[in-house]
Amino acid sequence: AQSVTQPDIHITVSEGASLELRCNYSYGATPYLFWYVQSPGQGLQLLLKYFSGDTLVQGIKGFEAEFKRSQSSFNLRKPSVHWSDAAEYFCAVGAGAGNMLTFGGGTRLMVKP
Amino acid sequence: EAGVVQSPRYKIIEKKQPVAFWCNPISGHNTLYWYLQNLGQGPELLIRYENEEAVDDSQLPKDRFSAERLKGVDSTLKIQPAELGDSAVYLCASSQGTKNIQYFGAGTRLSVL
Repeated sequence: AQSVTQPDIHITVSEGASLELRCNYSYGATPYLFWYVQSPGQGLQLLLKYFSGDTLVQGIKGFEAEFKRSQSSFNLRKPSVHWSDAAEYFCAVGAGAGNMLTFGGGTRLMVKP
Repeated sequence: EAGVVQSPRYKIIEKKQPVAFWCNPISGHNTLYWYLQNLGQGPELLIRYENEEAVDDSQLPKDRFSAERLKGVDSTLKIQPAELGDSAVYLCASSQGTKNIQYFGAGTRLSVL
């Protein structure tokens, strides 16, 4: 069975500082990996995705993530955090067309001025 | 292009009452998903539709939950009767194609009193 672990429930960073959110997955084959962001009272917005190829993927809002097969990880990074990045971030793993996504428990990001 | 539309955004009901949620997916998306998101957790799949057919409803509590997607477009999720533990956010998502990129609606926040 597939699973996702986000070890950090809460993270606080200062505005302008760099950010890394951790994600570890368990999946039997080559996974499709996703990062979503959820602002309070909102649905999930797709930040970026990995299917194959280049292990460093770029997303929206200046985010990037790196797929490391040997570590079963797909960590999300941003070089300089903005106050508007404060939200909940979810990592998800899935397979191909029409399959369910399995989500991690989320990491709540708080940004200090 | 319009995104996934859900209504209502909020619903407050007494326990044992029925409740229904509606979802209109992105035009042309054949696959529709209903997820349950409890407070502080990631979404969990309730049911998945391919066109009109429910192809994965293994996580749907069928004693009180039902869903339909009669014309293969919009969908309704119903709970009857609602219990206190059903208080959560109900998210709808849709996808199309082989990459399983799921787009989410804003969700319906249900409070059962």
